[in-house]
Amino acid sequence: DAGVIQSPRHEVTEMGQEVTLRCKPISGHNSLFWYRQTMMRGLELLIYFNNNVPIDDSGMPEDRFSAKMPNASFSTLKIQPSEPRDSAVYFCASSLAASGEQFFGPGTRLTVL
Amino acid sequence: GDSVTQMEGPVTLSEEAFLTINCTYTATGYPSLFWYVQYPGEGLQLLLKATKADDKGSNKGFEATYRKETTSFHLEKGSVQVSDSAVYFCAPAGWDNNDMRFGAGTRLTVKP
Repeated sequence: DAGVIQSPRHEVTEMGQEVTLRCKPISGHNSLFWYRQTMMRGLELLIYFNNNVPIDDSGMPEDRFSAKMPNASFSTLKIQPSEPRDSAVYFCASSLAASGEQFFGPGTRLTVL
Repeated sequence: GDSVTQMEGPVTLSEEAFLTINCTYTATGYPSLFWYVQYPGEGLQLLLKATKADDKGSNKGFEATYRKETTSFHLEKGSVQVSDSAVYFCAPAGWDNNDMRFGAGTRLTVKP
C-alpha cells in the first residue's frame, strides 16, 4: 500500500497568493483528517471528514481556509489569501472509521513569505 | 471535551536508560488511549493503544497501561536506543475514535 499521499511536499509562496494542498487517503479508509503543526501551537486538527462529509471544521482558523473532499480518494485544503502566519507543516491522515488508528502522510511544509 | 496533558520536554537520556513520559487526560466517559510517535521529517505513526481500563498497550519495547482511577496513560520503556529519538504524542479519542486530541508532544533525544 502506498500510504497517504500528499502533494506538494514543499511549497513556498508569497503573501496573498492562493495555496492548494492535496491529499490522497489510503484506499478503503472512510475518515480523513487535516492537521497543522507548528512549534508554537503543536499539532492542531483543522477539519475531518467521514464518508466525504465534513464532520468537524471547528479547528479551521478562519474563512481564508477551506477544505473539500469531492470523492473518497481525494481531498484539498485551500488557503486564500495566504499569510506568513500560515507557515507550518500540514498533515493529512486517514483511518477506517472507529478503528482509532490514523495513518499520516509525510506532510506539506508551507512557507509564506 | 476531552483534553490531555503530557510531560514537557525535551527529554535527553543515555542509551539503555529507563524512559517514562507522563500523560494524563480528562474525558467524559472512557475514551480509547493512544501513543503516537513522530520521527524527524515524518508524519505521526501509531505506537500503541489501549481501549479499556487496565489494558496494556505494547510495541517495540514500549508499554503503557490505561489507568482509569488516575486517568493516566504513561509511556515506559526499559532500555531506550538512539533510534527511539523522536517526538511522542499522547492522545485520547472520543466515542467514535475520530475525535482524537493530541497532546503537545514530548521530544526525546537518546545519546550513545
